[in-house]
Amino acid sequence: GNSVTQMEGPVTLSEEAFLTINCTYTATGYPSLFWYVQYPGEGLQLLLKATKADDKGSNKGFEATYRKETTSFHLEKGSVQVSDSAVYFCALTGTASKLTFGTGTRLQVTL
Amino acid sequence: NAGVTQTPKFRILKIGQSMTLQCTQDMNHNYMYWYRQDPGMGLKLIYYSVGAGITDKGEVPNGYNVSRSTTEDFPLRLELAAPSQTSVYFCASSPGLAGGGGNEQFFGPGTRLTVL
Repeated sequence: GNSVTQMEGPVTLSEEAFLTINCTYTATGYPSLFWYVQYPGEGLQLLLKATKADDKGSNKGFEATYRKETTSFHLEKGSVQVSDSAVYFCALTGTASKLTFGTGTRLQVTL
Repeated sequence: NAGVTQTPKFRILKIGQSMTLQCTQDMNHNYMYWYRQDPGMGLKLIYYSVGAGITDKGEVPNGYNVSRSTTEDFPLRLELAAPSQTSVYFCASSPGLAGGGGNEQFFGPGTRLTVL
């Protein structure tokens, strides 16, 4: 079946540091890939997505590229802010648009 | 549009009690989902629906039931609450690829349930 593996957190960075959160997946066919973000006490919000190989999703300075050859969808941001502190989930979609999630990576950004 | 709304926000149940978590979406999405999120874990799919009158089990359906009588509503029923059902429950909806709107999901704010 489908599965998503993402790096364990927490990840602690200083403001303006470079962020990478690794995500790899196992899936049949050609799933769409997503990054969702969850701020404290809130539901999940879509951060970005990519629907086919070599697509790059981007939003709010975050980027991720769909790499079919390495089955990866790593999240990057060049300069993080304190307001980026949240839990980030990598996910892929299967039949009936069902999502399979990774376990989440908590990011804490300090001044 | 309100998007996906869930009620209640918080609830404490005693073992053996029952309750219904409500979920409503106003985006005319065909697909709806219920997930649970345990501390430090990702989300696990409980049940999903691809349209009114159609429901199916997800990864962790035991102890739960659902119904989908309208496009808008997708309630989740706990019949005999157990401590293992202490979790945060999220409802989500999606237009699905056939809906022409893409296959991303839109989430509600969640219901935090504690069973004592």
